[in-house]
Amino acid sequence: DAGVIQSPRHEVTEMGQEVTLRCKPISGHDYLFWYRQTMMRGLELLIYFNNNVPIDDSGMPEDRFSAKMPNASFSTLKIQPSEPRDSAVYFCASSFGPVNDGAFGPGTRLTVT
Amino acid sequence: KQEVTQIPAALSVPEGENLVLNCSFTDSAIYNLQWFRQDPGKGLTSLLLIQSSQREQTSGRLNASLDKSSGRSTLYIAASQPGDSATYLCGKAAGNKLTFGGGTRVLVKP
Repeated sequence: DAGVIQSPRHEVTEMGQEVTLRCKPISGHDYLFWYRQTMMRGLELLIYFNNNVPIDDSGMPEDRFSAKMPNASFSTLKIQPSEPRDSAVYFCASSFGPVNDGAFGPGTRLTVT
Repeated sequence: KQEVTQIPAALSVPEGENLVLNCSFTDSAIYNLQWFRQDPGKGLTSLLLIQSSQREQTSGRLNASLDKSSGRSTLYIAASQPGDSATYLCGKAAGNKLTFGGGTRVLVKP
């Protein structure tokens, strides 16, 4: 397996634009997590899915953020409209079972100017 | 309120010295405690997973201990090498969620 795949790896956009981050989890994994990492706040859980269903989105900072998982092999994290304070590295992770030695993707570095 | 704390934030040691990384957490009702390594510009790689019923895990030069009563976990890296230079994060799992510490940035000097 190629591991967790994220795209794009880097995204630079202007304030107010819509941003969509993509994730392909490891085949067979039933949990998918989206994290955000910044210098100030460290690594934070935004939302996680189990069997494609959102279970806990309490970490999503604002209504500008939304996440979907239309099937077991694909998830998106959307920011609309984007703001400079959204600049961070966004990680997707997947696991078989909850928090069970899961795998992280390489991350998407988002810069909002 | 910081649930998971890692001190120090940065550590520099000469090659060959043993590394001791600390992680403390405020809630002892955890399921698992996990240690990760993060290289610059990369994602996280899981190193060791200690389940709540366990006290330690070992893999090669790495050993991690878990003391729920005191709210502490320690990662030991024996005979450090320059390739061990990275940021090490601990993650406390409660339910299905991981809460991370801020990490310890380690530099092993040749």
